[in-house]
Amino acid sequence: AQTIHQWPVAEIKAVGSPLSLGCTIKGKSSPNLYWYWQATGGTLQQLFYSITVGQVESVVQLNLSASRPKDDQFILSTEKLLLSHSGFYLCAWRRTDNQDTQYFGPGTRLLVL
Amino acid sequence: GDSVTQTEGLVTLTEGLPVMLNCTYQTIYSNPFLFWYVQHLNESPRLLLKSFTDNKRTEHQGFHATLHKSSSSFHLQKSSAQLSDSALYYCALRNTGNYKYVFGAGTRLKVIA
Repeated sequence: AQTIHQWPVAEIKAVGSPLSLGCTIKGKSSPNLYWYWQATGGTLQQLFYSITVGQVESVVQLNLSASRPKDDQFILSTEKLLLSHSGFYLCAWRRTDNQDTQYFGPGTRLLVL
Repeated sequence: GDSVTQTEGLVTLTEGLPVMLNCTYQTIYSNPFLFWYVQHLNESPRLLLKSFTDNKRTEHQGFHATLHKSSSSFHLQKSSAQLSDSALYYCALRNTGNYKYVFGAGTRLKVIA
């Protein structure tokens, strides 16, 4: 069975500080991976997607970057946090067979002060 | 670009009444995938329904929806609301061959006794 983990569970960070959020998926080789951001009370906004190691595509510009250093790992980061970065960050993987289903991780709650 | 519209921000229903959450979409492509995701409080979103086929009803866990390409709609319905249905519901779109997902603003369903 596939499992998806995100770390940390929650963070409180200062404006201007760096950030690194991680996501790993076990039990699935070469998954399509996604990062989403959900502002409090807001919709889900897709940030990045990656279909293979070392390749990341940006969907929206929010002063964030992403990398996929390993087949099962997806990292979201920034060198300088903004207040607007607060929210809920979700990693997801997608089955690439006919099921076309996304599975979301447990998420990371970020509060920027 | 693609867009998904959910007109109701909050729907409050008495238990036992029927549920209908609206979803319409805009895309220039002729073969979109449409999805409904449900997110309970303090949880991650999970897939509820999906469809690719025009005019075919899809059902899961008591909910159903039919993709109507003629009206660009994918409304979510249930015959009888339960207290446990209280959650945030997102309609989403993805075009064939595309890795990008577009989510609607979400509709919060509150079922009261």
